[in-house]
Amino acid sequence: NAGVMQNPRHLVRRRGQEARLRCSPMKGHSHVYWYRQLPEEGLKFMVYLQKENIIDESGMPKERFSAEFPKEGPSILRIQQVVRGDSAAYFCASSPPASHGEQFFGPGTRLTVL
Amino acid sequence: GESVGLHLPTLSVQEGDNSIINCAYSNSASDYFIWYKQESGKGPQFIIDIRSNMDKRQGQRVTVLLNKTVKHLSLQIAATQPGDSAVYFCAENKSGYSTLTFGKGTMLLVSP
Repeated sequence: NAGVMQNPRHLVRRRGQEARLRCSPMKGHSHVYWYRQLPEEGLKFMVYLQKENIIDESGMPKERFSAEFPKEGPSILRIQQVVRGDSAAYFCASSPPASHGEQFFGPGTRLTVL
Repeated sequence: GESVGLHLPTLSVQEGDNSIINCAYSNSASDYFIWYKQESGKGPQFIIDIRSNMDKRQGQRVTVLLNKTVKHLSLQIAATQPGDSAVYFCAENKSGYSTLTFGKGTMLLVSP
């Protein structure tokens, strides 16, 4: 049973470009969460999605960031017009429908904005 | 505001020692707590969890203690090994909320 998969593992973008980060949850998991981690800091919640629905996006910046989890395919975190401050590790986690709270994390995507 | 924080940013121990990593939380409504281990370049890995109706839970070489009176959580690692070297995070959430709030992390360094 494969774990949470994320790709790409490393992404380099120039300022103003778009970044697309993909996350495939564990088999049987229908809940996906995105977190951002700055160097030497903890993870900060961004958005919580279920299939075709955004449940909680209270941690998402109001501009340039969006997320989706379509009926088919991976969840996508999209950052438009990236700036240097977007450089961070972005982690995806998933949980099953009847989760008691435990989330399983992927290996992360490290975004570097030049 | 609500926060989950750690007392010590770095903990250095000798192989074979017992390690204790501490965490303070401020939200008294939190009722579920998790410890994660994060190795360099990897995602957080679940270690152990505990609900607020318990004050202690044991796993393999690890024990989590919860003191709700002072809003304090600790992770004890017995017979620490070099492979335990990593950053350890506590995280919490509340009933009805699926999102986790993470602390900043404690780096555990184990020397042979």
